[in-house]
Amino acid sequence: GNSVTQMEGPVTLSEEAFLTINCTYTATGYPSLFWYVQYPGEGLQLLLKATKADDKGSNKGFEATYRKETTSFHLEKGSVQVSDSAVYFCALSGWMNYGGATNKLIFGTGTLLAVQP
Amino acid sequence: DGGITQSPKYLFRKEGQNVTLSCEQNLNHDAMYWYRQDPGQGLRLIYYSQIVNDFQKGDIAEGYSVSREKKESFPLTVTSAQKNPTAFYLCASSPRPMDTQYFGPGTRLTVL
Repeated sequence: GNSVTQMEGPVTLSEEAFLTINCTYTATGYPSLFWYVQYPGEGLQLLLKATKADDKGSNKGFEATYRKETTSFHLEKGSVQVSDSAVYFCALSGWMNYGGATNKLIFGTGTLLAVQP
Repeated sequence: DGGITQSPKYLFRKEGQNVTLSCEQNLNHDAMYWYRQDPGQGLRLIYYSQIVNDFQKGDIAEGYSVSREKKESFPLTVTSAQKNPTAFYLCASSPRPMDTQYFGPGTRLTVL
């Protein structure tokens, strides 16, 4: 079945350090891939997405490239800030079939990022 | 402002009581979803609805019920049959069933 595996956290970095959070997936077909971010006590916000192989999603300095050959969608940022401290979730869209396809998000377990000043 | 609202933010209930969590969206989205989040885990799908007056079970529907009488509203009832109801509940919506999902701020339910 479809699944997402993320690197375990917490990831602790100093401000302005380079960030990589690894995400690999298993899926049938051609899913879309997403990164969501969750700040403490809040819901999830869409950070970026990619809908097909070799697409690069980017937002707020974060980037991730959809790599079909390695089944990966690693999140990167060149220089993190204290305000980036949050939990990051990688997700893929599977399909539920009931009277037509519906997008079902399958999540990784999340990676806590802590950025120190 | 368009968005998804969930109320209340925190909810406390005694064991054995049913409780209903509210989810409203003014984005004119067709599809709505309920997820549950437990510490250290990803989100798991409880129920989803593609259109008004239609909804389907997700991966962990036991002990939960929903209704979709209006396009903008998708309330979730946590019944006494749910064995471990304490969790963070997130509602989401998407313009159409196959589109990107957007999330509300969540409701933290604690059963005492």
